[in-house]
Amino acid sequence: AQSVTQLGSHVSVSEGALVLLRCNYSSSVPPYLFWYVQYPNQGLQLLLKYTTGATLVKGINGFEAEFKKSETSFHLTKPSAHMSDAAEYFCAVRNLYGNKLVFGAGTILRVKS
Amino acid sequence: GAGVSQSPRYKVAKRGQDVALRCDPISGHVSLFWYQQALGQGPEFLTYFQNEAQLDKSGLPSDRFFAERPEGSVSTLKIQRTQQEDSAVYLCASIPPRRLAGGDTQYFGPGTRLTVL
Repeated sequence: AQSVTQLGSHVSVSEGALVLLRCNYSSSVPPYLFWYVQYPNQGLQLLLKYTTGATLVKGINGFEAEFKKSETSFHLTKPSAHMSDAAEYFCAVRNLYGNKLVFGAGTILRVKS
Repeated sequence: GAGVSQSPRYKVAKRGQDVALRCDPISGHVSLFWYQQALGQGPEFLTYFQNEAQLDKSGLPSDRFFAERPEGSVSTLKIQRTQQEDSAVYLCASIPPRRLAGGDTQYFGPGTRLTVL
């Protein structure tokens, strides 16, 4: 069975500081990996995804993530946090042959001015 | 429409009442998913349709939950005899055909927040 672990349910950074949100997954087959962002009372918006090819993936709003197979990780980073980045972030995995997404529990990002 | 739409956005039900939640996927999207998101948790898979066929319903928590998509477009998630533990946000997502760009990405609606009193 697939699973996703997001380390840290809450992360707080200062505006302009590095954002690092951690995601580790387990999957017995090659995974597709996703990061979604959820603003209050809104649905999930795709930030970026890894399917095949280049392991460093760039997404919207300056976010990027690197797929590291040896570490079974897909951590999300952004060099400089902006106040508008405050939201909840979800990492998800889908295997090559399946359809449903398996989500982590989410990380709430707080950005301090 | 431009995105996945869901209605109602908010629903309050008394325990024991039946509810129906609607999802309108993006036009042309053949695959449709339902997820349940409890407070403070990530979404959890409920069921999956390809066109009108329900191919996976392994995530439905009990036989009180029923989903349909009779014409392969709009889908309805029905919960019978609601219980307090059914309180959650119910999310719908759809996927473009695999042959198109982005055919591996689920596009989510805003969700329906169900509160069972």
